[in-house]
Amino acid sequence: QKEVEQDPGPLSVPEGAIVSLNCTYSNSAFQYFMWYRQYSRKGPELLMYTYSSGNKEDGRFTAQVDKSSKYISLFIRDSQPSDSATYLCAMSLSGGYNKLIFGAGTRLAVHP
Amino acid sequence: DAGVIQSPRHEVTEMGQEVTLRCKPISGHDYLFWYRQTMMRGLELLIYFNNNVPIDDSGMPEDRFSAKMPNASFSTLKIQPSEPRDSAVYFCASRGDSLNEKLFFGSGTQLSVL
Repeated sequence: QKEVEQDPGPLSVPEGAIVSLNCTYSNSAFQYFMWYRQYSRKGPELLMYTYSSGNKEDGRFTAQVDKSSKYISLFIRDSQPSDSATYLCAMSLSGGYNKLIFGAGTRLAVHP
Repeated sequence: DAGVIQSPRHEVTEMGQEVTLRCKPISGHDYLFWYRQTMMRGLELLIYFNNNVPIDDSGMPEDRFSAKMPNASFSTLKIQPSEPRDSAVYFCASRGDSLNEKLFFGSGTQLSVL
């Protein structure tokens, strides 16, 4: 079993839809949780960063962490075609933040 | 800043040949990371450096892989001899020395070993 599980998709939604992306993990010691966005032929770029449990909002994006369920989510409101990309969750241990463990990534396509 | 710069963008080589991938981190960043991305295994950490010193190379798949960082502005990842299963996108990333986890990735090198 992988430490971080993420459905690779692809996920196809119409413009304006609310998108929900999720990851589950097995190591309860993970403390730092991140979402990266990766466009085709580009490196990943950090989208959201949270520490421990709770919610964090940034514009159209909301990240949620539920440590009791070992489950993290990224919500995208009013999705746009420019949101079409692969979304990777990543996490690390407290104090071991240099060793990020990535999910496989979910491919998202937002069509006009 | 131009960001993390990797070269070449694409590399096609034959099995058994030596391959050298290059990376220039963002100026002032103390940490440099090499990642490999494949469809099967996703994004995996190979090795990372702090102040030019290798800290953790436990992700390096085998002795055919080696990485160096001779100075703060340059790093190489070498594969010798290369094999078809090494075909992947190799990313370099860097970050500053703070609790902020933000990694800046380069655009990657697409390696194809025939």
